[in-house]
Amino acid sequence: DAGVIQSPRHEVTEMGQEVTLRCKPISGHNSLFWYRQTMMRGLELLIYFNNNVPIDDSGMPEDRFSAKMPNASFSTLKIQPSEPRDSAVYFCASSLSGINSPLHFGNGTRLTVT
Amino acid sequence: DQQVKQNSPSLSVQEGRISILNCDYTNSMFDYFLWYKKYPAEGPTFLISISSIKDKNEDGRFTVFLNKSAKHLSLHIVPSQPGDSAVYFCAARVSGAGSYQLTFGKGTKLSVIP
Repeated sequence: DAGVIQSPRHEVTEMGQEVTLRCKPISGHNSLFWYRQTMMRGLELLIYFNNNVPIDDSGMPEDRFSAKMPNASFSTLKIQPSEPRDSAVYFCASSLSGINSPLHFGNGTRLTVT
Repeated sequence: DQQVKQNSPSLSVQEGRISILNCDYTNSMFDYFLWYKKYPAEGPTFLISISSIKDKNEDGRFTVFLNKSAKHLSLHIVPSQPGDSAVYFCAARVSGAGSYQLTFGKGTKLSVIP
């Protein structure tokens, strides 16, 4: 079990640039989540996919943020254009869709926007 | 409005003693609770959970206690080991429709001193 794989681990970019974060969920998991962690707000859910379909994107902060899941083994979170306040650690997590299935998190992408 | 609160940002405990991490919640609709552990530069990993129909769940050195009337749960680690040093997140979920939605506390950093 390779776990949830995220890339890159670190991303440093300049304000205004496009940023794409990538996630490979655990094989067989049909739910995928993108979270953002900041000191001020802690862990916040950005978007949730079930069977590759976005179910709830109410946590996406602005239209600058978008997420896709073209197939069961890959998802992206894109920020365009990026701003310094987007600096945070972004986590992808996957789970089975059972009601109390725990989330399995990736190791995160630390994004710094200068 | 923080629905899940971990009021102690940090806790230090001697190796071999008991660690008690606390969590309070405000939403009476929460009926499933989880604890996650997070090491630096890694994603949170699931530790233990409890349903609201129980008041205690035990797994090895880890025990979670739930007091529904007080809207309080705690994680006990005994005996504490240096490898337990990590940030611990409490999370809660409302079962039923939208049961994927986990609300996290901001975490408590546990340091176990050898």
